[in-house]
Amino acid sequence: TQLLEQSPQFLSIQEGENLTVYCNSSSVFSSLQWYRQEPGEGPVLLVTVVTGGEVKKLKRLTFQFGDARKDSSLHITAAQPGDTGLYLCAGGYSSSNTGKLIFGQGTTLQVKP
Amino acid sequence: EPEVTQTPSHQVTQMGQEVILRCVPISNHLYFYWYRQILGQKVEFLVSFYNNEISEKSEIFDDQFSVERPDGSNFTLKIRSTKLEDSAMYFCASSGGDRDGYTFGSGTRLTVV
Repeated sequence: TQLLEQSPQFLSIQEGENLTVYCNSSSVFSSLQWYRQEPGEGPVLLVTVVTGGEVKKLKRLTFQFGDARKDSSLHITAAQPGDTGLYLCAGGYSSSNTGKLIFGQGTTLQVKP
Repeated sequence: EPEVTQTPSHQVTQMGQEVILRCVPISNHLYFYWYRQILGQKVEFLVSFYNNEISEKSEIFDDQFSVERPDGSNFTLKIRSTKLEDSAMYFCASSGGDRDGYTFGSGTRLTVV
């Protein structure tokens, strides 16, 4: 069974705090993607990482792919209420972004003003 | 920004009825997918489609499900005889097989009564 475990499942923090969300698997993925999903909407892609050890930054968000390509993390610096939402990681077996994705169960983030 | 369009946004159907969910992928994408998300659960892969044929399908995608690309723009998911447990959000996605990744539609909420 291909599994991607996200932790924590729920996170409630104050504005300005930092946080890290983890995504772990026993499988090796060719790519790891992070999405944000609003209620009643489809996942929206934030970033794709494909190389072991790769780090990508998107403003206050930092994404890292583990050296062995089995895990990833999303770090948010100085969280804002606008960061509130559901964050999903998804692993793919194709580095060319074709083929199925295996999704984690998601991390619900609440940032309180 | 190019987007994946899904119709209808909501569909209520009687158990045993056939439903067709429609999607218009991004025009220059070649790979098409259907995923579903039962309320409170993970996003699950159903099927991928490339070059006018199914390239991969999950265990969920049994004989009750079929996909079709009837023309150059639409991509449809048909459920032949709906069951209560088919109630879920169904997401269509497409990818161009490049670093830009996957684009998801906003989903169709299917309720089987």
